[in-house]
Amino acid sequence: GENVEQHPSTLSVQEGDSAVIKCTYSDSASNYFPWYKQELGKRPQLIIDIRSNVGEKKDQRIAVTLNKTAKHFSLHITETQPEDSAVYFCAVGGGADGLTFGKGTHLIIQP
Amino acid sequence: DTAVSQTPKYLVTQMGNDKSIKCEQNLGHDTMYWYKQDSKKFLKIMFSYNNKELIINETVPNRFSPKSPDKAHLNLHINSLELGDSAVYFCASSQGNLNNEQFFGPGTRLTVL
Repeated sequence: GENVEQHPSTLSVQEGDSAVIKCTYSDSASNYFPWYKQELGKRPQLIIDIRSNVGEKKDQRIAVTLNKTAKHFSLHITETQPEDSAVYFCAVGGGADGLTFGKGTHLIIQP
Repeated sequence: DTAVSQTPKYLVTQMGNDKSIKCEQNLGHDTMYWYKQDSKKFLKIMFSYNNKELIINETVPNRFSPKSPDKAHLNLHINSLELGDSAVYFCASSQGNLNNEQFFGPGTRLTVL
C-alpha cells in the first residue's frame, strides 16, 4: 500500500513569516494530493489540493508544489497569521484504497 | 444546514458494551467513509461505501460493522468495546470516486472505561 511521510511533526514560526510542510509518498501511480487543516477540537477541512497534471497551485497565501519524479509535495503558507495555527495533514490518493494521510504537522504561530 | 452530521458527539461507555455511531450527509454524495483518529492525531481510514456498497475495508477488527441503509447514511456499530477503541471517529463523504474532496463530520469522541 501507499506510504506517506510528513515532516516536520511540529513547526513553530513567527507571525508574518512563511511555513513549509513537506510530504513524500511511495506509489508512483498516485495522482491526487490534498492538504487538510484541523483546528483544535474541530473536523479536518480541505484547504488546497493538486492533481498530478500540474506542478504548482496557489490560493491567496497558500500554495502547493508537486514533484512527481521525486515523489514529494509541499504546502507553503506565506505571511502567517494566528488563525493559521492548527494541525495540517497531507494525503495521497489515486488508487482503489482511498486517501492515505500523513501523520500531521502541528503548526504554531508565535505572536 | 449541516453537510455531514454525526451523533452522538461524545460517547462514554464501559468495556464490553456495544455501541453505535450514526452519520448522515445531505450533500448528495455517492461515497461515505469512516476514519479513526487516535490520541496522536493519526487519521486512518476504516471503511468506505459507494452507493451503499462496501468498497474499502481496511484491517479493522470484525467487532466493527458498518451499515449503509441508503447512500446518505453510514452507521458504525461496535461490539464488545475495548480500551483501545477510545478515539475520535470521523464520518466523511465525497462526490464520485475516492479521489475528490472529502467533507468530514464533526467527529464522535468515544471513551471506553
